[in-house]
Amino acid sequence: GENVEQHPSTLSVQEGDSAVIKCTYSDSASNYFPWYKQELGKRPQLIIDIRSNVGEKKDQRIAVTLNKTAKHFSLHITETQPEDSAVYFCAASISSNTGKLIFGQGTTLQVKP
Amino acid sequence: DTEVTQTPKHLVMGMTNKKSLKCEQHMGHRAMYWYKQKAKKPPELMFVYSYEKLSINESVPSRFSPECPNSSLLNLHLHALQPEDSALYLCASSLSPSGANVLTFGAGSRLTVL
Repeated sequence: GENVEQHPSTLSVQEGDSAVIKCTYSDSASNYFPWYKQELGKRPQLIIDIRSNVGEKKDQRIAVTLNKTAKHFSLHITETQPEDSAVYFCAASISSNTGKLIFGQGTTLQVKP
Repeated sequence: DTEVTQTPKHLVMGMTNKKSLKCEQHMGHRAMYWYKQKAKKPPELMFVYSYEKLSINESVPSRFSPECPNSSLLNLHLHALQPEDSALYLCASSLSPSGANVLTFGAGSRLTVL
């Protein structure tokens, strides 16, 4: 069945360093790849997304890259700040037109001041 | 209005109680979702409503009963729940049930079953 693998499960960086989270998906028909940030006790919030007709997208300190051939996509956060500390989930749409997303297992990012 | 509003924020219920969770959006979205989330785990899809019709039920036990009275409202009726059903229940909506539409989550209802 459809699956999204996310690595690493935990990531600790110093403030100012970069952080990279990687995901691999299985459904070759997936065409939408959002990233959600979830702070403790809060709702998942969309931070960036990418569609399959684009290879890279950037929004200030956050960027996402997509390699359709390898079925990989990655989140890059530069100049990390303590407020970036949260759980990050990647997701991929499935081929049927249902609105269903398959989520990765999440990465807990800790940014140390 | 760009939000999905959920009530109540917290709910404690016994295993014999009947309660309901409510969700509302006024963004004109025609797809609405219920997700269940355990701590530090990803959201798990439970139900999808597409144009007010139930389109996906992810084999959810019948003690959870969804209802979509109109295009802005989504309810989740709870009856005879088990302690393992304690979780954060998230409502979400998207413009349409296309896989490429942005999903907007509500703040969730934190349910504790005693």
